[in-house]
Amino acid sequence: QSALTQPRSVSGSPGQSVTISCTGTSSDVGGYNYVSWYQQHPGKAPKLMIYDVSKRPSGVPDRFSGSKSGNTASLTISGLQAEDEADYYCCSYAGSYTLGVFGGGTKLTVL
Amino acid sequence: EVQLVQSGAEVKKPGESLKISCKGSGYSFTSYWIGWVRQMPGKGLEWMGIIYPGDSDTRYSPSFQGQVTISADKSISTAYLQWSSLKASDTAMYYCARQAGWLQFSEWGQGTLVTVSS
Repeated sequence: QSALTQPRSVSGSPGQSVTISCTGTSSDVGGYNYVSWYQQHPGKAPKLMIYDVSKRPSGVPDRFSGSKSGNTASLTISGLQAEDEADYYCCSYAGSYTLGVFGGGTKLTVL
Repeated sequence: EVQLVQSGAEVKKPGESLKISCKGSGYSFTSYWIGWVRQMPGKGLEWMGIIYPGDSDTRYSPSFQGQVTISADKSISTAYLQWSSLKASDTAMYYCARQAGWLQFSEWGQGTLVTVSS
């Protein structure tokens, strides 16, 4: 199972919005509403930011939002802050054989 | 508070065996799937497999099937990831995570760094 496709890097200035895309196929992203997003700072464990495409766990700021259209899921971060600078990974359910697949990761730089 | 505490870093030689652990606390260990995720140096996350400690139902990613074994001992709330014969390419950080819903890894362990070198 190939990894989901994410841009290698995105950037934005404080206060701006950025969107990170995650492209899969009808066998994963497009076929199920089980897409999650994780934030990982250097040397730290990943942190769940979005699950079930657009739901936010308790404690995650509402500046983080998720959506999906067809085979592409997106994570949007509005009102960028310096602490948002991190790597972001999408993850999707991919059926009962493969189960789960991650994207390759996107490095977000806050300028 | 939900916590997953992993065993410490390991340095092994190629061909050696290894079993790393992940101890859960603060929740019903038998009621949630535990997943394992690999992160090779400077690379992204890779989904390895999951186990349901309640009945030891285990599922593997096709990429890792036959390469590792996932198990759990519910009497001590601990999940395991093991190798019978390590390779240099197994050098990576390994994370365990509690799955609150499908692919919803809500809490993570701190990671176990495995280094395989001759």
